[in-house]
Amino acid sequence: DTAVSQTPKYLVTQMGNDKSIKCEQNLGHDTMYWYKQDSKKFLKIMFSYNNKELIINETVPNRFSPKSPDKAHLNLHINSLELGDSAVYFCASSPGAGEEKLFFGSGTQLSVL
Amino acid sequence: QKEVEQDPGPLSVPEGAIVSLNCTYSNSAFQYFMWYRQYSRKGPELLMYTYSSGNKEDGRFTAQVDKSSKYISLFIRDSQPSDSATYLCAMTIYNTDKLIFGTGTRLQVFP
Repeated sequence: DTAVSQTPKYLVTQMGNDKSIKCEQNLGHDTMYWYKQDSKKFLKIMFSYNNKELIINETVPNRFSPKSPDKAHLNLHINSLELGDSAVYFCASSPGAGEEKLFFGSGTQLSVL
Repeated sequence: QKEVEQDPGPLSVPEGAIVSLNCTYSNSAFQYFMWYRQYSRKGPELLMYTYSSGNKEDGRFTAQVDKSSKYISLFIRDSQPSDSATYLCAMTIYNTDKLIFGTGTRLQVFP
């Protein structure tokens, strides 16, 4: 049983397009996150949600909009994709806000052409 | 200067070797320290977690924290080819909900 699952695994698209990545966790956790990992493997937080409420928004362009319909889901919508958005995007969850132990999904490899 | 510095490697060792992976950090407010392991094309998974200076052991893995020197280490004893992965250190301030990661060290253990 996959604990944190995200789809799609790979996403190849043209510049200027709009795309979404979906994430679901079945761990019963209250907090979910989006992280971005660049080509040098540097992993940086983008957003965190606790019980559907935005907790962290780390100076991410407005083109990125997270949405949490319920505490088990956190989706990421990206408008007007740019070349620099190419990266691996990881969804993660933790039992609660302020918890340091994160459970990550397998990542979505986004390539913008 | 990044808050957390980690040598990217790669580090290549023979099976059975003792591996030492290290991170240094600049923010003295960091209180919680973690090591994550990331296999190729997978998400990071938590390996070790500690919040105090000193050593914490779990099987073949030992996490060491030296807060006075702002230095953390992960030791892997009797390394196996299955340990080949990227190891990311991470740290945070209590209750901030934000982990700061190192860039990861790629480890290759050859038979």
